[in-house]
Amino acid sequence: DQQVKQNSPSLSVQEGRISILNCDYTNSMFDYFLWYKKYPAEGPTFLISISSIKDKNEDGRFTVFLNKSAKHLSLHIVPSQPGDSAVYFCAAESGGSYIPTFGRGTSLIVHP
Amino acid sequence: NAGVTQTPKFRILKIGQSMTLQCAQDMNHNYMYWYRQDPGMGLKLIYYSVGAGITDKGEVPNGYNVSRSTTEDFPLRLELAAPSQTSVYFCASSSGDSYNEQFFGPGTRLTVL
Repeated sequence: DQQVKQNSPSLSVQEGRISILNCDYTNSMFDYFLWYKKYPAEGPTFLISISSIKDKNEDGRFTVFLNKSAKHLSLHIVPSQPGDSAVYFCAAESGGSYIPTFGRGTSLIVHP
Repeated sequence: NAGVTQTPKFRILKIGQSMTLQCAQDMNHNYMYWYRQDPGMGLKLIYYSVGAGITDKGEVPNGYNVSRSTTEDFPLRLELAAPSQTSVYFCASSSGDSYNEQFFGPGTRLTVL
């Protein structure tokens, strides 16, 4: 049973537009959420995170929104750039376990 | 800093063979992890370690073994390779602080034929 779900395997966006990647979770014990970005033939790299005491965290072009009641988070990329084309993984952790649970990833393609 | 390094990058094994995937980090991180990534399946945790001498099973430990004799190194052992172990393997480390950002190695692509 997937505790972290990324229901869109892929997303295609025009350069300059907004990219919105979604993630849903089922475990109410999760209290820390992370997004990772992965290019082909490389390991994932950390992008942005949010703790459950916040509903928004922003870092440059990247913003993560958390809706605890809906158990939903989203990553917004504005404006999208071709270099953002990658697979994005959502991950969640609970109570200082330091053991994240990953979603299956969403492949983002940004067209010039 | 080299970060997290993994060797080899690629390997083809025959069924029943054994091998060790090497992982090292130079960031003095206490936490280290081994994941496998199958197509369209995200990252599955195989084993993890919270410090030298301490290891624990993750979600998919069968067919694998690990050791953590030093803070820096966390090798993953496959004893009797099976086709189901064909995957890309990632090692990661983290400091275990409040943000627990994980740093990943470049991966090892393993094929078992």
